[in-house]
Amino acid sequence: SQTIHQWPATLVQPVGSPLSLECTVEGTSNPNLYWYRQAAGRGLQLLFYSVGIGQISSEVPQNLSASRPQDRQFILSSKKLLLSDSGFYLCAWNTSPGTEAFFGQGTRLTVV
Amino acid sequence: QKEVEQNSGPLSVPEGAIASLNCTYSDRVSQSFFWYRQYSGKSPELIMSIYSNGDKEDGRFTAQLNKASQYVSLLIRDSQPSDSATYLCAVMNYGGSQGNLIFGKGTKLSVKP
Repeated sequence: SQTIHQWPATLVQPVGSPLSLECTVEGTSNPNLYWYRQAAGRGLQLLFYSVGIGQISSEVPQNLSASRPQDRQFILSSKKLLLSDSGFYLCAWNTSPGTEAFFGQGTRLTVV
Repeated sequence: QKEVEQNSGPLSVPEGAIASLNCTYSDRVSQSFFWYRQYSGKSPELIMSIYSNGDKEDGRFTAQLNKASQYVSLLIRDSQPSDSATYLCAVMNYGGSQGNLIFGKGTKLSVKP
């Protein structure tokens, strides 16, 4: 069966520090991968999605970036965090466009 | 701008009642529709998917889709306190090899014992 792993579960980082969040999927090949952010009291905002290695589409211009170095690995990064980057970051995957998407456990990021 | 709209609630229903959650979407070419449940502090979990007009039933849950009205709903029968959560409507439209899953802000459901 397929599983998705996301870490760390919680993170407290100072303003201006770098960020690296990692997501891996097991049990499937060539998944579509997504990064979402959910700010307090707000909906899920799609940040990036990827249909293959090295293929990244950005939905919202900001100081975040994403990379997909391996088929089942998706990384969210920032060189310098802002207070506004605080939120609940969720990685998700599906097998092909239009199919059901499944979420990892999420990373709660607090920028202080 | 593609949008998915939901009433934020809270929607309060007594235990055993039917909870009705509604969602409208703006992109007429949307092709896939999903309902997720999110407990406080947790990640969303998939409850139902629906792809064609009509009703789809799974246990106590029924999803309804009306593409002409751009409307999708979720009915929860025999509501239980454990159903208390935020319910997210998600819509996907896709062309080629890419698909964007767009979420509403969610409706908070409270089931009172």
